[in-house]
Amino acid sequence: LAKTTQPISMDSYEGQEVNITCSHNNIATNDYITWYQQFPSQGPRFIIQGYKTKVTNEVASLFIPADRKSSTLSLPRVSLSDTAVYYCLVGVPGYSTLTFGKGTMLLVSP
Amino acid sequence: EPEVTQTPSHQVTQMGQEVILRCVPISNHLYFYWYRQILGQKVEFLVSFYNNEISEKSEIFDDQFSVERPDGSNFTLKIRSTKLEDSAMYFCASIPGTGRTEQYFGPGTRLTVT
Repeated sequence: LAKTTQPISMDSYEGQEVNITCSHNNIATNDYITWYQQFPSQGPRFIIQGYKTKVTNEVASLFIPADRKSSTLSLPRVSLSDTAVYYCLVGVPGYSTLTFGKGTMLLVSP
Repeated sequence: EPEVTQTPSHQVTQMGQEVILRCVPISNHLYFYWYRQILGQKVEFLVSFYNNEISEKSEIFDDQFSVERPDGSNFTLKIRSTKLEDSAMYFCASIPGTGRTEQYFGPGTRLTVT
């Protein structure tokens, strides 16, 4: 299982773009990068998944460089409601379990 | 949008008592999971369930734990004799199993063992 490293916390202000980087130096060929979001006292929520280059959905963008040893979750124009913990997970997509790290606590201030 | 639901939202029980946590996964989902999160700690996997049997379980999921899908809609986690250290948020999750692999989590049950 590829080990991931993320900042423990980040601070931002409303309306700013936030980029959270995750390092995964020993990512395997078949691994994908997946991000989940967790609000306090709620279950994690899937945000985005990618394999290489760039993936964008209505919530976020995921940038993955060619060597795939890191990835960056980009949240455009954050609001107070984006305050949450963001988890980067690396593995083969499928039906096996998710292994969560400690994640990045994002605090968005007015 | 369909959601995973869990009941109760909060359960208080005394040490040594049995508890049953209930989940209703999204209809037509095929893979089911229980996770737990002790306050301030990581989300930890407990067990996965597919085709009416356990497909994977963690070291946490010992003989005190069991899961059941009794009627095709509910998915339950039973703790036979609760310990203080079982106090945590318990999350149920499910996957469609139709090629999509993102897990859909419920809102959780907060279990407090006194």
